[in-house]
Amino acid sequence: NAGVMQNPRHLVRRRGQEARLRCSPMKGHSHVYWYRQLPEEGLKFMVYLQKENIIDESGMPKERFSAEFPKEGPSILRIQQVVRGDSAAYFCASSPGLSAYEQYFGPGTRLTVT
Amino acid sequence: SQQGEEDPQALSIQEGENATMNCSYKTSINNLQWYRQNSGRGLVHLILIRSNEREKHSGRLRVTLDTSKKSSSLLITASRAADTASYFCASLYNNNDMRFGAGTRLTVKP
Repeated sequence: NAGVMQNPRHLVRRRGQEARLRCSPMKGHSHVYWYRQLPEEGLKFMVYLQKENIIDESGMPKERFSAEFPKEGPSILRIQQVVRGDSAAYFCASSPGLSAYEQYFGPGTRLTVT
Repeated sequence: SQQGEEDPQALSIQEGENATMNCSYKTSINNLQWYRQNSGRGLVHLILIRSNEREKHSGRLRVTLDTSKKSSSLLITASRAADTASYFCASLYNNNDMRFGAGTRLTVKP
């Protein structure tokens, strides 16, 4: 059973471009979480999605950031018009269900905005 | 997949008691972090301890790091029912890889 997959592992974007980060959950998992980690800081929760639904987006910046988890395919975290402050590691995790305690983490995508 | 081991996997205590959870990791780390997760919610960052630190406190939390044993412990003193959650450790390795343990489920009975 493959773990949580994220791609790309490293992404470089110029200011003003769009960044798309993908997360494929573990097989059988229908819940995905996205986190951002700034250098020397802990993970900060961004959004929690179920297939085709956003459950909790309380950690998402109000502008430029969006997330989806379609019925088919990976979850996508999209950042429009990136700025230098968006440079961070973005982790996703998946879990089997709403009340599950386990979260399995992907290796992360390191976004660098130049 | 998860790396690192937390023990115990599950812990049940009475309100007012202390709870101790342990975490081990594989190779040299940059820092180690502890997180809490309530059912159905995202992780909440609790505390970060750097590889050159041995102990850190935050409120009722106390974290220790023993780099010779490659282990860390999280102590919650005077536990409350609201502390019921899963607790995860995450190791940031020197190659910038971050690995999470499987977590300890803590139940605090009122």
